[in-house]
Amino acid sequence: TQLLEQSPQFLSIQEGENLTVYCNSSSVFSSLQWYRQEPGEGPVLLVTVVTGGEVKKLKRLTFQFGDARKDSSLHITAAQPGDTGLYLCAGGEGGSEKLVFGKGTKLTVNP
Amino acid sequence: DTGVSQNPRHKITKRGQNVTFRCDPISEHNRLYWYRQTLGQGPEFLTYFQNEAQLEKSRLLSDRFSAERPKGSFSTLEIQRTEQGDSAMYLCASSLVAVYQETQYFGPGTRLLVL
Repeated sequence: TQLLEQSPQFLSIQEGENLTVYCNSSSVFSSLQWYRQEPGEGPVLLVTVVTGGEVKKLKRLTFQFGDARKDSSLHITAAQPGDTGLYLCAGGEGGSEKLVFGKGTKLTVNP
Repeated sequence: DTGVSQNPRHKITKRGQNVTFRCDPISEHNRLYWYRQTLGQGPEFLTYFQNEAQLEKSRLLSDRFSAERPKGSFSTLEIQRTEQGDSAMYLCASSLVAVYQETQYFGPGTRLLVL
């Protein structure tokens, strides 16, 4: 069974600070997705990375897929209260089917 | 653009009752997934359909659970003889399978509480 470990589990920071959250596995994934989830809602897709070493930027968010496609990171610059939420990474095996999710990083950005 | 919709959004039931949830995927998406999420955990895969065919079921899906997608469009997930351990958020996702990359889009979920 493939597992994804996310760290830290909880993160509370002040508005304007930078942060990085990590998603690690001993398994290789064909793709890795990052979602943000707010309480009582479903996960909302932020980005999909598929190529080892790939870096994608989404405004203040930077996503990186490890060279070996076993790990990923999400960096947020100048965090804002609107960034508060549960950040989930999910890995997919080649061509199909189910996503394997980490437990998530619960981020709180205080004004 | 209509996303994935799920109904009801919330369901409270007594132990032993049957419940049914509905998921309407994004139009023309041929894959539909069901996941379950409990407090403090990420979503866990339950089952998925490609068109009307159910192609994989998790061991989490006991024989009290049944899912259907009769016409390859909407899907239903039924839980019979509910137990308190069934309390969770039930998430539906849909995707359009592609040769190289598939992205799953999630609905808002149905939160089930079994008393």
